Amino acid sequence: GAGVSQTPSNKVTEKGKYVELRCDPISGHTALYWYRQSLGQGPEFLIYFQGTGAADDSGLPNDRFFAVRPEGSVSTLKIQRTERGDSAVYLCASSLGGGATNEQFFGPGTRLTVL
Amino acid sequence: AQSVSQHNHHVILSEAASLELGCNYSYGGTVNLFWYVQYPGQHLQLLLKYFSGDPLVKGIKGFEAEFIKSKFSFNLRKPSVQWSDTAEYFCAAGGSGNTGKLIFGQGTTLQVKP
Repeated sequence: GAGVSQTPSNKVTEKGKYVELRCDPISGHTALYWYRQSLGQGPEFLIYFQGTGAADDSGLPNDRFFAVRPEGSVSTLKIQRTERGDSAVYLCASSLGGGATNEQFFGPGTRLTVL
Repeated sequence: AQSVSQHNHHVILSEAASLELGCNYSYGGTVNLFWYVQYPGQHLQLLLKYFSGDPLVKGIKGFEAEFIKSKFSFNLRKPSVQWSDTAEYFCAAGGSGNTGKLIFGQGTTLQVKP
C-alpha cells in the first residue's frame, strides 16, 4: 500500500521567500506529525495533528512557521520569510492514532535549502 | 528538560562483529523508548520499541535493546552484524500521554565493512 508521501522532494528558495511543504499521510491515519532534521542531527518535533486540529504545536520555532490540516488528511507546513537557518529536511509522519503506542510511519522528507 | 543522547556518532565494524549502540534519555514521567533505522536512500523505519514489561525487547532483523531504568539507558545490540546493517540509527523517547511527540537522539552512523 501507499506510504506517507511528501512533495516536493527538494525545494530551493531565497531568503525572505514563502514556502509550502505538503504531506500526504497513509489513508485512515488520524495522527500526523511534522519534524525537522538538520544536518548531523536527529529529527526535531515541530507539530502534531489529531484529525484537523493541532493538538501540540510546541515545537514550532517561531511564528514564521504554521501548519494546517483542513480536512484531516493532507497537511501543509508553511514557512514565511525564510531564513538560511531554516535549511533542513522536513519530515512528515502519520500514525493510526495519537500517542506513543501507535507506530509512526515516516515519509521521505522534503529537503529545503534557503540561499 | 527532555533529551536523548547517543554516545557514538560513527561506528565502523567488520561483518560478524557484535554491535552495541548507546542511548541515554532524560524524561520526566513514564517513558516509551524506540530505535529507528534509516537505510541509505530510504525512509526512517521503526526497528523496535519498549513500552512496559520485559526490559529486553526484540525487533526486526535480529536487533534487540535493553531498557535499564536505573541507568536511564536503552542500548541497541546485535550479536553479528551484516553489511546490510549499514545505516543510520536513531534512539527516541516519547511520553505516555495522548501526543506521540518523539524526542530523537542525534543518530549513530553504522558502517559495516564486508
